[in-house]
Amino acid sequence: RKEVEQDPGPFNVPEGATVAFNCTYSNSASQSFFWYRQDCRKEPKLLMSVYSSGNEDGRFTAQLNRASQYISLLIRDSKLSDSATYLCVVNWGYGGATNKLIFGTGTLLAVQP
Amino acid sequence: SQTIHQWPATLVQPVGSPLSLECTVEGTSNPNLYWYRQAAGRGLQLLFYSVGIGQISSEVPQNLSASRPQDRQFILSSKKLLLSDSGFYLCAWTARDRVSYEQYFGPGTRLTVT
Repeated sequence: RKEVEQDPGPFNVPEGATVAFNCTYSNSASQSFFWYRQDCRKEPKLLMSVYSSGNEDGRFTAQLNRASQYISLLIRDSKLSDSATYLCVVNWGYGGATNKLIFGTGTLLAVQP
Repeated sequence: SQTIHQWPATLVQPVGSPLSLECTVEGTSNPNLYWYRQAAGRGLQLLFYSVGIGQISSEVPQNLSASRPQDRQFILSSKKLLLSDSGFYLCAWTARDRVSYEQYFGPGTRLTVT
């Protein structure tokens, strides 16, 4: 099983649509979870952290299910500017000084006009 | 605020030539620093990380090496490049005392080995 697994897509959706991405992780000891956004030929940028209780930031909602080792990202009212690759990211092990993050290969979102 | 710089932005090098990529962080002290590589159409692969000056941990055995001569400087090197070294090289930092462990990336260096 891959350490972090995502559907690669692409997800082609019209403007205004709601789209959901899922991610599973294999290490039950992981403590921190994130979604990053990566535009074509650019560096990844932190979109949001994922908290156990679920969290929302504007049109974006992240959910964590520790029992199923599953993370999700919901985007409402999609904009053309949301087109990017979304990376699911999980910290590895028990934290501490090394703070290694494992990145999924990403899900490509293309929002169509 | 913190910023992270990488240079050069783009590099084309012949097989067998040396490599030196530099990363510097401003606005923070004692960060953890990381080098990643992203091959075309692939995910991010962690190459090296450093928790302090002179402290380097290697994740993947290969012909690359890393050094941290100063607190906020991280260098990626190779003595002889291979074709398979082509990719997008990203430096990242995180604050040592940050509980949530998020990492912040520099703009990257796109390396093509010919």
